[in-house]
Amino acid sequence: GNSVTQMEGPVTLSEEAFLTINCTYTATGYPSLFWYVQYPGEGLQLLLKATKADDKGSNKGFEATYRKETTSFHLEKGSVQVSDSAVYFCALSDLGDSSYKLIFGSGTRLLVRP
Amino acid sequence: DTAVSQTPKYLVTQMGNDKSIKCEQNLGHDTMYWYKQDSKKFLKIMFSYNNKELIINETVPNRFSPKSPDKAHLNLHINSLELGDSAVYFCASMLRGLNYGYTFGSGTRLTVV
Repeated sequence: GNSVTQMEGPVTLSEEAFLTINCTYTATGYPSLFWYVQYPGEGLQLLLKATKADDKGSNKGFEATYRKETTSFHLEKGSVQVSDSAVYFCALSDLGDSSYKLIFGSGTRLLVRP
Repeated sequence: DTAVSQTPKYLVTQMGNDKSIKCEQNLGHDTMYWYKQDSKKFLKIMFSYNNKELIINETVPNRFSPKSPDKAHLNLHINSLELGDSAVYFCASMLRGLNYGYTFGSGTRLTVV
């Protein structure tokens, strides 16, 4: 079945450091890939998405490229801020699945220190 | 203004009680979902409805009964609450199509004592 694997957290960085959060997936069909962010005490917000191989999603300085050959969708940011501290979820939705449900990774907590 | 709204935001109740969580979306989406987030932040699909019809029931105990009176609403009723039901429950909606995307509610934190 379809699944998403993320690197375990927490990831602790100093402000302005470079961020990478690894995400790999397994899918039988043609997945779309997403990154969601959950700030403390809040709901899920879409950060970025990519719908086909080699697409790059970007938003708020974050980027991720859909790599079909490595089945990966790693999240990167060149310079993190304290306000980026949150839990980040990688997710996929398979168009071959009639429900279009989102399958999430386990989440990676990011803590950015001043 | 809120796109996907859930009520209540917090719910504290005793074991054995029956409770409901309501979800409404004003986006004109045709598909709605319930997700459960456990204490370790893991998110798991529970139910999916498309145009008021049940599409997914992911091996959820039958104490959980979703109800969709129309495309804009998906409520979750839970009977005989157990300690293990304590979690954050998220409602989400989506419009099927080429550029589909999901919108989540802000969650309902359920605590069973």
